[in-house]
Amino acid sequence: EVQLVESGGGLVKPGGSLRLSCAASGFTFSSFGMNWVRQAPGKGLEWVSSISSRSSYIYYADSLKDRFTISRDNAKNSLYLQMNNLRAEDTAVYYCAREGATRGGYYVDVWGKGTTVTVSS
Amino acid sequence: QSVLTQAPSVSGAPGQRVTISCTGSSSNIGAGYDVHWYRQLPGTAPKLLINGNSNRPSGVPDRFSGSKSGTSASLAITGLQAEDEADYYCQSYDSSLSGWVFGGGTKLTVL
Repeated sequence: EVQLVESGGGLVKPGGSLRLSCAASGFTFSSFGMNWVRQAPGKGLEWVSSISSRSSYIYYADSLKDRFTISRDNAKNSLYLQMNNLRAEDTAVYYCAREGATRGGYYVDVWGKGTTVTVSS
Repeated sequence: QSVLTQAPSVSGAPGQRVTISCTGSSSNIGAGYDVHWYRQLPGTAPKLLINGNSNRPSGVPDRFSGSKSGTSASLAITGLQAEDEADYYCQSYDSSLSGWVFGGGTKLTVL
């Protein structure tokens, strides 16, 4: 069974850091691009970052690129998101997402259940 | 404010047909990038419904269909069922932002 399991969420003070992890199983992790997508409480979905299968290409939402770093370890079938200088507005459920592709773009074909990040003093 | 615009809510009676629209611009949908649709049941992760404007992944009922024209796309749901009550999101790529963009979501209520 294809599965993505996030971990590392929790309560952190403003200005703090957190590292999210995503453990992948049931598919050849090294063959897929991966993403992080977040959802603030009561709000819609927001794309955070993408990383290609071999980490050759990395992209971030403009508002986040200076504070967030995406990475992956194909040997460990794991995806990571290092989040620094966290703000209250970063409070959200963070989803690990496997990337599918069409000729006209990319999408999420598998979602994890999410991990909750709360930034509050 | 989302780059892709969706109506906040839509409703329909069981058995009816509803459509959910997603309006973009010349830097995303209008530029030829595909539109994808997701459904999110309360308290759960989103799930892929339609990819590549109109393709249904395996396991998605044929009651769900997608289309795209110009700078807009639509998701149609026929034979509405109580379990279709959920939030629906469209997603595409935006060349100006160099990243994925989502619609703000449409909450479907089955009356």
